[in-house]
Amino acid sequence: KAGVTQTPRYLIKTRGQQVTLSCSPISGHRSVSWYQQTPGQGLQFLFEYFSETQRNKGNFPGRFSGRQFSNSRSEMNVSTLELGDSALYLCASRQQGASTDTQYFGPGTRLTVL
Amino acid sequence: KQEVTQIPAALSVPEGENLVLNCSFTDSAIYNLQWFRQDPGKGLTSLLLIQSSQREQTSGRLNASLDKSSGRSTLYIAASQPGDSATYLCAVKKGAQKLVFGQGTRLTINP
Repeated sequence: KAGVTQTPRYLIKTRGQQVTLSCSPISGHRSVSWYQQTPGQGLQFLFEYFSETQRNKGNFPGRFSGRQFSNSRSEMNVSTLELGDSALYLCASRQQGASTDTQYFGPGTRLTVL
Repeated sequence: KQEVTQIPAALSVPEGENLVLNCSFTDSAIYNLQWFRQDPGKGLTSLLLIQSSQREQTSGRLNASLDKSSGRSTLYIAASQPGDSATYLCAVKKGAQKLVFGQGTRLTINP
């Protein structure tokens, strides 16, 4: 099976712009979670989607939003970009979304905000 | 609020040594604990998942243990190799579906 894929891998934007990141989970996985990784804060949870519904959300401002499609692919959107949004954005998928499931991570999207 | 701490932050050892990475968490009511490996600039690779009812898991040269009552987990790496050089992260899951991560241990294996 193919692993979790994320596109694009690298992105450069300027302050005030918006950006959309995409994640395709492992085939058959219905749960997709998003994480932000920065040197200062480490890995922080953004949100999780399961069967097109947001199940949980981290402590991020409303500029960060997401959605999941019927094929389980997910997108994350960040509006009005700030310099502090520069980070590696990781997406992870799980089969059924049960707490016992292993999470599998994609390679990430490196976002740089200038 | 669940907090996860990993000690040491960095570790450098010669090839062939056995080593232990530590992870501690403040709230023992967890569903499971997962160890990941991250290579520079890359995503996370899952190494081992320990359910709350388990005490340890093994995969090849890796062995992870879990002591919920004391809020601790260890990752034991036997006969270390230069290819083991990476950052190792532990993460716990409690209640909601998110993982709470430690800051990681950056491991360097010297040939």
